[in-house]
Amino acid sequence: EIVLTQSPATMSLSPGERATLSCRASQSVSSYLTWHQQKPGQAPRLLIYDASNRATGIPARFSGSGSGTDFTLTISSLEPEDFAVYYCQQRSNWPWTFGQGTKVEIK
Amino acid sequence: EVQLLESGGGLVQPGGSLRLSCAASGFPFSSYVMSWVRQAPGKGLEWVSTISDSGGRTYYADSVKGRFTISRDNSKNTLYLQMNSLRAEDTAVYYCAKDSPTARHFDYWGQGTLVTVSS
Repeated sequence: EIVLTQSPATMSLSPGERATLSCRASQSVSSYLTWHQQKPGQAPRLLIYDASNRATGIPARFSGSGSGTDFTLTISSLEPEDFAVYYCQQRSNWPWTFGQGTKVEIK
Repeated sequence: EVQLLESGGGLVQPGGSLRLSCAASGFPFSSYVMSWVRQAPGKGLEWVSTISDSGGRTYYADSVKGRFTISRDNSKNTLYLQMNSLRAEDTAVYYCAKDSPTARHFDYWGQGTLVTVSS
């Protein structure tokens, strides 16, 4: 099973600041890496697919990068609605796995 | 507009059974791979099961293999998850998720249905 390790577990930032979230895979997942955002009490929402492609309707302040085992989600300037939990997910190998999540909270 | 509406959750005793449904609309259901993902209270996301567009291929997490069965009725645009021999650790919100056209990622999620396994 491929283990995805997200860091940090929690980050405390202010609106307007840059957020850099990391996802590291225990073995290569090529570019089969997705990022989802989840707000309290809501379902997850697709943000980034194939490591670096923004989903429909996702603002340009969200960007993804990486391949193989190391991936990054960057939010260039945090808006109030961006404070949430972010999960990476791999679909390179069965079973599909998620990282444990990074919570971006308001400082 | 893609809509995924789960139902069937509730309180069940350990060892009991429950069947979840996910009613889909807004896309050609029979053309897409579908999945179930769950989230225990206060925890992260866990992939549970996936079914091919035709229903001919199914995949399960080890944690539910032999106890859960995924199926679909393409004539009714509905996805199912039959859950048997339920355990306390199966307590979670269960989401259905639609695959993208490339079948490389989930592109839409339902709102979820809560399953609580407790005596």
